[in-house]
Order: sequence, then structure tokens, then C-alpha cells
Amino acid sequence: DVKVTQSSRYLVKRTGEKVFLECVQDMDHENMFWYRQDPGLGLRLIYFSYDVKMKEKGDIPEGYSVSREKKERFSLILESASTNQTSMYLCATAKPSGYEQYFGPGTRLTVT
Amino acid sequence: QKEVEQNSGPLSVPEGAIASLNCTYSDRGSQSFFWYRQYSGKSPELIMFIYSNGDKEDGRFTAQLNKASQYVSLLIRDSQPSDSATYLCAVNTGGGNKLTFGTGTQLKVEL
Repeated sequence: DVKVTQSSRYLVKRTGEKVFLECVQDMDHENMFWYRQDPGLGLRLIYFSYDVKMKEKGDIPEGYSVSREKKERFSLILESASTNQTSMYLCATAKPSGYEQYFGPGTRLTVT
Repeated sequence: QKEVEQNSGPLSVPEGAIASLNCTYSDRGSQSFFWYRQYSGKSPELIMFIYSNGDKEDGRFTAQLNKASQYVSLLIRDSQPSDSATYLCAVNTGGGNKLTFGTGTQLKVEL
């Protein structure tokens, strides 16, 4: 079974703080993704990575950056958190040969 | 027009009935289609995928794909209260391994 873990289930941060969300997978998957999920808007892709040190922007990258120094770990960084970044953040992984994505448990981030 | 569209629901069906969930997509080049189930407060869980036109069955679930009409559906037979969840349709778009998700249909199975 694919196991995808995220560093926190719930997180509360203040406006302007730098926030790190971490995702770790144990299945040697090349592809990793970060999404945010908001009511009525569904899942929106923030960034993704096909390999170590490689990253590509998704549909809503503004205000975010990512880091992938090791294959199993993909970090999402909010450089200066804002209240409109309050959301559920979901990490997913996939093999390069398939499209099926497997999700971590999610981090519910509140920015006050 | 949204790339992947679903009726938000809620769709209410009695226990034991067939639930039919529908999804349309706009990218004619899409090749892979997925259904995820998401319980409230939880992350999406993959339940079905389909690549070819026609039906694909897995237990009580059947995925149906019609590329000419650009729709994919999910049938849940003998619906159970435990099937109550939001069902997300996902389609690969733009090449590579990216998926575009619909906003989901909320299903309620009533006793």
C-alpha cells in the first residue's frame, strides 16, 4: 500500500509567518503534487514535481513555493502567510507510468 | 466552461438503490478518468479508474466512459449508508500526469 504522510493534520499560523508543509511518501513514486481544497472550488493544483530538484507550477502557484531535495519528500512553503491561504492542503503521489494519484491525510491550515 | 463538471448535489438515494453520478469534461485529448471518494474531513480515496470506452466493473461500482460524448459516470449498486460521501471525478488533461478534478457530487444514502 502507498503510504503518504503529511507533517500536521491541523495548523494555525499568523499572517506574515513563513509556513512549511511537508509530505513524505514511502513508495518510491517519482511524481508528487500539492493541492489546496476549498468549498465550492474543489481541488486546485499548486505545484508538482516529477523528480528530485524539479518543480513545475500548477494552476495557482502565487504565494507558494516548493522544495524537493529528496525523492520521498516534497515541501510546500508559504513565504508570507495570508488569510486567503486558509485551506485544506493535500499532497499526492503517483508513479510515472500511471496517472493514479494517492493522497495524504491533508493539513487543515488556518491563518489568522 | 469548466474543464471537468459535476453536479454538486446532494444526490439522495434510498438504501439498496442504484446511485448514478455523472461527470463531463472538455478536453477531447483526455485518456484517463478517475473516481475518488471523499468522506467529510478526510482526503480523497481512489475507487475506480477507466481508460477505454465502455463499462468497467469492480464489486458494487461500475465506471462508464463515453469519449465521443465526453462523459464518464459512476454507478453504485445496492447503495449503503457507508457510501454517503462526496465523489470526485478526475481527468488527465494537458498531457503528463496532471489531473483536473471536478468539484464533486455529494451522495447521501438514506435508510
